This record gives sequence, C-alpha cells and structure tokens, in this order.
Amino acid sequence: EVQLVESGGNLVQPGGSLRLSCAASGFTFSSYWMSWVRQAPGKGLEWVANIKQDGSEIYYVDSVKGRFTISRDNAKNSLYLQMNSLRAEDTAVYYCARDFDSFFDFWGQGALVTVSS
Amino acid sequence: QSVLTQPPSASGTPGQRVTISCSGSSSNIGSNYVYWYQQLPGTAPKLLIYRNNQRPSGVPDRFSGSKSGTSASLAISGLRPEDEADYYCAAWDDSLSGRVFGGGTKLTVL
Repeated sequence: EVQLVESGGNLVQPGGSLRLSCAASGFTFSSYWMSWVRQAPGKGLEWVANIKQDGSEIYYVDSVKGRFTISRDNAKNSLYLQMNSLRAEDTAVYYCARDFDSFFDFWGQGALVTVSS
Repeated sequence: QSVLTQPPSASGTPGQRVTISCSGSSSNIGSNYVYWYQQLPGTAPKLLIYRNNQRPSGVPDRFSGSKSGTSASLAISGLRPEDEADYYCAAWDDSLSGRVFGGGTKLTVL
C-alpha cells in the first residue's frame, strides 16, 4: 500500500524558515518523480515543486522560486521542502504527492504551515 | 481566479445522476488530458479520473469523465451520501507551461 506521511508543519513568523519532510513507503520511491502541492485555507490546489527520480531535474511554481528548495534522499525514501523567507500567502496545507502523467496519483495527509506574527 | 472554471456548488439526491463541468481553453483542456480529484472533508485529494475518462483501480464505475473541445465533465451516477465532497478538475497548460486546476465544486447530497 502506497503511503506518504508528511511532517514538519508549524506556525512560523513572516520571513522565517521551515522544513517539511515526507516519508514514503509501499512503492519504489527512487522510480518516481515527486511533488509538493499546497492548498490555502478554503482555497483550491496549487502545485509547488517537483523533482526527478535522481534529483537531476527540479521545477518550481514562479511564486516560490528562490525561496523554496525541494530535495530527496532515495536511501531514506524521503522527500523534503525547505521553505525560506516565508510569507503570509504561503499559509497552506502542504501535500507530498507521487507524480503520475502530468499530475499525481497518491497524496499524503498533508502538513499545515501557518505564517503569521 | 482559477484558469479552469468550475461551478462552485452542485447538489443531488441519493440515486440521482449529477454532472460537474470544467471549462478551459485551447491551451489546456483543448490540447491536453483532463484529470479529476475528489477531496472528502478534511482529507487529501484522491485521483478519480485520469486521461479524460480513465478510472484508477478501486474507483467505482459510477464515476465517469468526458471531454469535448475545451470543456470536460465529471458524471456521478447513483449518487450516495458518501460522494459529498469537493471535486477538482486539472490539466496541463501549454501557454503557462504548468499544471492548472479548477477552483473546485462542492457537491452536496441532499
């Protein structure tokens, strides 16, 4: 059974940093592109970033370029999102998701990131 | 303002058939596959339909997807109370070179 479990969500002040982690199991993690997708409170879905199987290709939505860094450790079956210079508009539930076609077939339960003073 | 347009709400009674529309343009729905997600209250999205009309294993055949031109639809037949959820359409957008989602439709089972 595919499982994706996020951790690291928290309340952080504007300008602060936070690192999210996603532990994957139930599939060969190193064989899949992986993504982070977020959902602001009461809002729709927004893809944030994704990373190729070996980490050699990485893409970001424009609004987080230069502030967020996606990475992975295939030996630990883990995906990460380092978020710096956080803004109020980054407040959202962040989902770890397995890429499928251009989208996603499995999602984690999400980690809440709240940016507020 | 979402790139793909969905009605904010839809409703039906148990056993009924309901459809949810998703309108886009030639750069997204018109030239790429459409995907549908179901998000039950307080849970993560679940892939419901991929490549316009394909169901992942485990998704009941009560759910079906279709596409025509720059619009797509999700149909749910034999509506059940547990179908009450938010539904999102999604597609790749060639002009934006990115993934775009609809704003979501909240389905209420009366």
